[in-house]
Parts: sequence; structure tokens; C-alpha cells
Amino acid sequence: SFVLTQPPSVSVAPGKTARLTCGGNNIGSKSVNWYQQKPGQAPVLVIYYDSDRPSGTPERFSGSNSGNTATLTISRVDAGDEADYYCQVWHSGNDHSVVFGGGTKLTVL
Amino acid sequence: EVQLVESGGGLVQPGESLRLSCTASAFSFSSSEMTWVRQAPGKGLEWVSYISSGGGTIYYGDSVKGRFTISRDSAKNSLSLQMNSLRVEDTAIYYCARGGSKLDHWGQGTLVTVSS
Repeated sequence: SFVLTQPPSVSVAPGKTARLTCGGNNIGSKSVNWYQQKPGQAPVLVIYYDSDRPSGTPERFSGSNSGNTATLTISRVDAGDEADYYCQVWHSGNDHSVVFGGGTKLTVL
Repeated sequence: EVQLVESGGGLVQPGESLRLSCTASAFSFSSSEMTWVRQAPGKGLEWVSYISSGGGTIYYGDSVKGRFTISRDSAKNSLSLQMNSLRVEDTAIYYCARGGSKLDHWGQGTLVTVSS
């Protein structure tokens, strides 16, 4: 099965840039989606198809995907960005499945 | 505004069954792929099952295959998850979400607790 690896935690000071990574074997060949989940709330899609933003996602959020790593970049981080972030792909191997990374807790210092 | 509302969660004993429902509104449910995702307490997201817009294509995660059944009723704008032979490790919040390869709207979830 396909595995996505995310660092458990990332910390960043307000106003700085956070880079959250998602590793997977040749993940650059897949489309990656990113979800933000705040405590007690359902996940929210913030980036889809590697780098597209749904309406409502601030332009401070951007995504990239190449080789074995996808990255969610959040510029000018503020306290409201503190949340868990999950990457996700659709894997079509012997079977079809949605695969989530283990999630990264973003802490705003 | 797209809305997904889950129901049917609760406390059950190991080996028992439970049926979850998800009622959709404000979008074309019959044209939409749908997905169930769960989240154990304090853990990450786990994909459970997918159903195509017409219901003809269905996939399950390995941990629920053979025990859970996904279905849909487009006349009622409703998605269901029949869960049999429940285990303690099935304890989680269950979310329904619109989409398949990307999940663009999620419900608030319903809590399933499996405990003796």
C-alpha cells in the first residue's frame, strides 16, 4: 500500500513562513490534497490537485509537488493557522484507495 | 451552502452492528461521489469507503473490508454505512465527505463507540 509520511509537528513564529512536507514514493506523479483540521472541527480542504485553492482558502496558502515530496506552504502565518494538516492522495494500485498522511500539528509560537 | 449531516452513531458492544446515515443538501447528490472517513480519538484520518455517483463502483479500506457496506439512495439524498461485527478499534468519529479523489465538503461527524 502507498504510504505518506508527514512530520508530527512544525513550529513557526507569527509572520513567518511554514513549510509542511508530505513524503511518498514518487508522489510527484500523483495529485495531492491538503486538509486543515482545528480542534473539535471537521477537516477542511485547503489545497487540491497539488496547488489549487478552493474558494475561501487564503492566498497565503500554496502547494507544490515534485519527486518524492509534496509541500504545503503557509506565508505570513498567524495564530488562526494553528491546526493539524493532512496530506492525501488517491492511490490506484492493485486496489483503489484514499491515503492520508499521519498529519502535522502546526504550532504558532 | 453544501451541507452533510451524519447520524446514527452511538455506543455498542463488540460484535454488534450499527448503521450510519449522511443526509446531503444544496448540491447534486446523485452526481457526486461520496466517501466515509473516520478518526479515532486523538488519532489521524483514516479512509473507510468510497462509492461512485451511480453506486456501481465501491471500494473499502482493508480494516473494514468484509464487515462494512456502503450504499446510497439518491432519491433521498442519503449515504449509508452499515457496520457489522464491530470491534473496539472501530471506535471513532465517522465523517461523510463529498468526493472521491478529493474531499471538498465534510459533515461534522458522528461518534461511534465500541466498548463492553
